[in-house]
Amino acid sequence: DTAVSQTPKYLVTQMGNDKSIKCEQNLGHDTMYWYKQDSKKFLKIMFSYNNKELIINETVPNRFSPKSPDKAHLNLHINSLELGDSAVYFCASSQEGFGTGLDEQFFGPGTRLTVL
Amino acid sequence: GESVGLHLPTLSVQEGDNSIINCAYSNSASDYFIWYKQESGKGPQFIIDIRSNMDKRQGQRVTVLLNKTVKHLSLQIAATQPGDSAVYFCAENNSGYSTLTFGKGTMLLVSP
Repeated sequence: DTAVSQTPKYLVTQMGNDKSIKCEQNLGHDTMYWYKQDSKKFLKIMFSYNNKELIINETVPNRFSPKSPDKAHLNLHINSLELGDSAVYFCASSQEGFGTGLDEQFFGPGTRLTVL
Repeated sequence: GESVGLHLPTLSVQEGDNSIINCAYSNSASDYFIWYKQESGKGPQFIIDIRSNMDKRQGQRVTVLLNKTVKHLSLQIAATQPGDSAVYFCAENNSGYSTLTFGKGTMLLVSP
């Protein structure tokens, strides 16, 4: 069984479009994250949610809007896509996360977004 | 291919050798550290972690060493196998915050 799953795995779209990436975890974790990995493999945190509440919002353009309908899901919606948004986006989850130290984060398989 | 122009630090070893991957971390307040392995086309996968009250921790074929004085972390892989070929990331956390800060990554290439 997949612990953290993301859909789609690949997403190719035109500049200016709006797209969403979905993430689900079946681990019963309280905290979920979105990371962006650029072409140089650098991984950077974008958002962190704890029990459906936004905890961390790094310096991400407001075109990116995470939505957490329940504890097991954290979707990423991106408006007005730009060329620089092309990257691999990873969802992750952990049991703890906020203010209690950090437990292991489990990562999804990634979504490769290509903006043309 | 995916690695063209990547310019990641690369460590090339022969199968059976021991590998040592190094990482310098930035925040002296960080108290939790993790090593992740990322194979091509996959998400990062947990290898081993260590808290700042320790200076060494061993797992199966892997050992993490922490030197807080110089803010240095290393991952030692014993008897490296071709399946160990991947990009390895160190990550640090300050327990007051819920995010991990990842290092730049090192590519390990293991030849048979």
